[in-house]
Amino acid sequence: GAVVSQHPSRVICKSGTSVKIECRSLDFQATTMFWYRQFPKQSLMLMATSNEGSKATYEQGVEKDKFLINHASLTLSTLTVTSAHPEDSSFYICSAPIAGAGANVLTFGAGSRLTVL
Amino acid sequence: GENVEQHPSTLSVQEGDSAVIKCTYSDSASNYFPWYKQELGKRPQLIIDIRSNVGEKKDQRIAVTLNKTAKHFSLHITETQPEDSAVYFCAALGAYNTDKLIFGTGTRLQVFP
Repeated sequence: GAVVSQHPSRVICKSGTSVKIECRSLDFQATTMFWYRQFPKQSLMLMATSNEGSKATYEQGVEKDKFLINHASLTLSTLTVTSAHPEDSSFYICSAPIAGAGANVLTFGAGSRLTVL
Repeated sequence: GENVEQHPSTLSVQEGDSAVIKCTYSDSASNYFPWYKQELGKRPQLIIDIRSNVGEKKDQRIAVTLNKTAKHFSLHITETQPEDSAVYFCAALGAYNTDKLIFGTGTRLQVFP
């Protein structure tokens, strides 16, 4: 089935550094990917929509200069948390629509747990 | 935009009992309603979904009902088992925002043996 591979699964970084998270669609092409953020025991909050060949669309309240999204190819989208701070610590999950499965049936990556010290 | 509310936030049941989780949505044009199961530290997995042209869908022990007039939909799990313990999220997709799923706040289901 359609699989999205997400790396790294866990990352710990110092405050002020940048962290890149990658999501790859392994056996299908994803012209669109969605990036979610999930705080402990809370829901998935949509951060942005990544579009291959064009700029990402950010949700209200999400800083585009802090959360850089690049959809480099039909199988790769990256999220870079720039100048990370402890409040950016969270679980970040990407997802992509499964082609042919019906409109907007999503498959999720395994998530990346970011801890900023 | 779309707003999805989910209740209850936690639910504890005895093995073999039924569990019901309810969600309401705000956008009357929404036309797709999936349910995801997320086990601790793992990715959300789609367990069942329903589109606005049907009122009920069943898959073995899991069923989803949709009331478009009232703008609510529910997940029903029968004969619950300990492995059903997880967090369940409902979601809704607006007709005019066809690229965005909005998730409910989640229900932590615990099934006790």
